[in-house]
Amino acid sequence: DGGITQSPKYLFRKEGQNVTLSCEQNLNHDAMYWYRQDPGQGLRLIYYSQIVNDFQKGDIAEGYSVSREKKESFPLTVTSAQKNPTAFYLCASTMTGSNEQFFGPGTRLTVL
Amino acid sequence: SQKIEQNSEALNIQEGKTATLTCNYTNYSPAYLQWYRQDPGRGPVFLLLIRENEKEKRKERLKVTFDTTLKQSLFHITASQPADSATYLCAPHEPDTGRRALTFGSGTRLQVQP
Repeated sequence: DGGITQSPKYLFRKEGQNVTLSCEQNLNHDAMYWYRQDPGQGLRLIYYSQIVNDFQKGDIAEGYSVSREKKESFPLTVTSAQKNPTAFYLCASTMTGSNEQFFGPGTRLTVL
Repeated sequence: SQKIEQNSEALNIQEGKTATLTCNYTNYSPAYLQWYRQDPGRGPVFLLLIRENEKEKRKERLKVTFDTTLKQSLFHITASQPADSATYLCAPHEPDTGRRALTFGSGTRLQVQP
């Protein structure tokens, strides 16, 4: 089955710790995205990558970092500099030439 | 600043009725607009895309309209079913900005009562 996987589904961390969220896709999509969603709010763009070894900051990149070493993978690190990291994190991908975004199941991060 | 407005209050309707959800945007000149469905705790799923030169688009029981003068898109679900209960997100897009990422509205929660 083709799709996007995010792991884990639930993640708990202590304040001050960095944590990395996984996002893998086997759709052969070039572009990948990370969004954050807070209760009752829309999705906000953290980072996106249109091609391997290249990525751009989104609207709320502070306190986050990414890498895109492989086409299939776009991990997101939530650093201790992120002041309010507890949220639902969604990864998405898009095929070149298409406008439709495919989303993963999300990771709910809770920082204690 | 750019703004996308969707009714934050939940829309409650009876099964079999037509649900109409609104997406208003300001300071956008979108070339197209997308609608997504999101179930609780899940990622959004793409439903429909409508381009600026299309007034209306249909897919099974779904219909989307796009009025660039009013800066508004309407999303209709006819013969609604309890399984249609979800949050619906709109995302207008200006591709000329070079940014392929979408900006989403906060969504409207639809509850279809049996």
